[in-house]
Amino acid sequence: RKEVEQDPGPFNVPEGATVAFNCTYSNSASQSFFWYRQDCRKEPKLLMSVYSSGNEDGRFTAQLNRASQYISLLIRDSKLSDSATYLCVVKGYSSASKIIFGSGTRLSIRP
Amino acid sequence: DTGVSQDPRHKITKRGQNVTFRCDPISEHNRLYWYRQTLGQGPEFLTYFQNEAQLEKSRLLSDRFSAERPKGSFSTLEIQRTEQGDSAMYLCASSSLRRDLEGSTDTQYFGPGTRLTVL
Repeated sequence: RKEVEQDPGPFNVPEGATVAFNCTYSNSASQSFFWYRQDCRKEPKLLMSVYSSGNEDGRFTAQLNRASQYISLLIRDSKLSDSATYLCVVKGYSSASKIIFGSGTRLSIRP
Repeated sequence: DTGVSQDPRHKITKRGQNVTFRCDPISEHNRLYWYRQTLGQGPEFLTYFQNEAQLEKSRLLSDRFSAERPKGSFSTLEIQRTEQGDSAMYLCASSSLRRDLEGSTDTQYFGPGTRLTVL
């Protein structure tokens, strides 16, 4: 079992739709969680951190469920520009080698 | 541009040659990371520096790979005797510890990467 797992997709949804992804992690000692966005042949860019209390930034909402060991990303009113791969990142405590990226979920928004 | 920069952006080399990549982090960041990413996968951690000290190395980093950060600013990643399996995107990221809602964290900012093709 991978330490961080994501549904690779692709998710193909119409513009304006709401879409949600989950990411599961295996190490219960994980401390920090992030969502990154990566466009084709570009570097990953931070989308948002994921806090225990949840985190909302405009159309994007991230949630953490420690009991079930998953994080989620919800995108409301999706735009064509949201088309990208979304990477889940899970970080352990005090060890850089415990920064684990998921393989990413591909999202394609159609007009 | 005050972001992370990497040079070169693309490198094509023949099997067996040595290659060296450079990363210039965001100037106030004391932490620097190297990752490797292949198609369809997320970045895989290779190594980490805090200032000039290399604190961690992944098992992925074979003895053909070496990284340095001599003055705690820019870093180089060298691959000796390249193999076709080394073909990948090599990403550098930098960060510094900061406080957030849940204590402290170090959010990483990535450079554009160096795409290596080994023929």
